[in-house]
Amino acid sequence: GQQLNQSPQSMFIQEGEDVSMNCTSSSIFNTWLWYKQDPGEGPVLLIALYKAGELTSNGRLTAQFGITRKDSFLNISASIPSDVGIYFCAGQREDTGRRALTFGSGTRLQVQP
Amino acid sequence: EAGVTQFPSHSVIEKGQTVTLRCDPISGHDNLYWYRRVMGKEIKFLLHFVKESKQDESGMPNNRFLAERTGGTYSTLKVQPAELEDSGVYFCASSASLNTEAFFGQGTRLTVV
Repeated sequence: GQQLNQSPQSMFIQEGEDVSMNCTSSSIFNTWLWYKQDPGEGPVLLIALYKAGELTSNGRLTAQFGITRKDSFLNISASIPSDVGIYFCAGQREDTGRRALTFGSGTRLQVQP
Repeated sequence: EAGVTQFPSHSVIEKGQTVTLRCDPISGHDNLYWYRRVMGKEIKFLLHFVKESKQDESGMPNNRFLAERTGGTYSTLKVQPAELEDSGVYFCASSASLNTEAFFGQGTRLTVV
């Protein structure tokens, strides 16, 4: 089956630092999504990317849809304690008619105040 | 407006027992998805309902898992009999249409002992 390789698995950073995480796949996706999961909650959509090469920002978050459509990265600038959580990338293929999302294994972010 | 709600939030059962998880999607959302995250791994797709019909159940692990969505409103996911490897967090998500954002519930943490 399709797999997304997400890295790093975990990060421990100081408040104010920038963070970068990425996902790669052997398959092409038409949509890349980035989610954040807070403890005890479900994943919440942060950014959606629909075109190869697209660069999108949401506040301190920036994500890009790779040109090859096989990868994406998420950057968080000037991290703050509430950025703590698990970040998931997800890809969606539309050509097969399936709407199921394929998720990465997550990046656990910890921010030291 | 209420979000996606899942019951129970936690369940601890013994191997061989039966457990039924429930998901109430956002009102009016025809699309309902079940996902599962086993400890530390990726969130994996289980199945997709459009109203009361199973659109895609390719992710269901085996025939011990049965999902229903009678009347096209809430959905249940029954595991019978439960095995140790069924432990994990089960997420439900719903969306208004195939191309709109899917909103996730808080998940049900299932522990099989």
